[in-house]
Amino acid sequence: NAGVTQTPKFRILKIGQSMTLQCTQDMNHNYMYWYRQDPGMGLKLIYYSVGAGITDKGEVPNGYNVSRSTTEDFPLRLELAAPSQTSVYFCASTSASYGYTFGSGTRLTVV
Amino acid sequence: GDSVTQMEGPVTLSEEAFLTINCTYTATGYPSLFWYVQYPGEGLQLLLKATKADDKGSNKGFEATYRKETTSFHLEKGSVQVSDSAVYFCALSSYSGGGADGLTFGKGTHLIIQP
Repeated sequence: NAGVTQTPKFRILKIGQSMTLQCTQDMNHNYMYWYRQDPGMGLKLIYYSVGAGITDKGEVPNGYNVSRSTTEDFPLRLELAAPSQTSVYFCASTSASYGYTFGSGTRLTVV
Repeated sequence: GDSVTQMEGPVTLSEEAFLTINCTYTATGYPSLFWYVQYPGEGLQLLLKATKADDKGSNKGFEATYRKETTSFHLEKGSVQVSDSAVYFCALSSYSGGGADGLTFGKGTHLIIQP
């Protein structure tokens, strides 16, 4: 019973590089989310998806892209990494029963 | 838009002290309310929740009551332990089904319990 799995756990990128943060859930949840957590700022929603093939922007989507080709996977793509994208990224999923399950996070540093 | 305001930290208490972490919210309609806990180096774990006015959520000795009249959801515990040291987040979901456009979080309160 893995829940929400995120990879990698840590990554250092150089400015201008690209990468994909992976997120997989095995609970058959329809709703999936990407948040970023900055010190003292709580969590901000980047993108979300209400089902396969459907995605929408959250509060801070600039510099990111997502796709949802299957129910299980919701990768987050960073194009042209910038120092402002240094953060901890969390993926989460839920059904319609109020319980959000979070992954353990990816700590990204852009230098 | 929706927003959550919680008390700034860090909050430092001695073991066995009484804990209150204040949380107030602004939302349209009838949101669901949550407290999440984050231990160092880990993701967020659901601590407790309440889905309608006057509901009390409880777990591991923590309690919070959904007060619509004061738009509050304060977290309390009667006797804290060193193992309760963590960051606590108050959050709301304005979609009654708990999904859709996700949770709105407060900034988090860092709780430190000293032996």
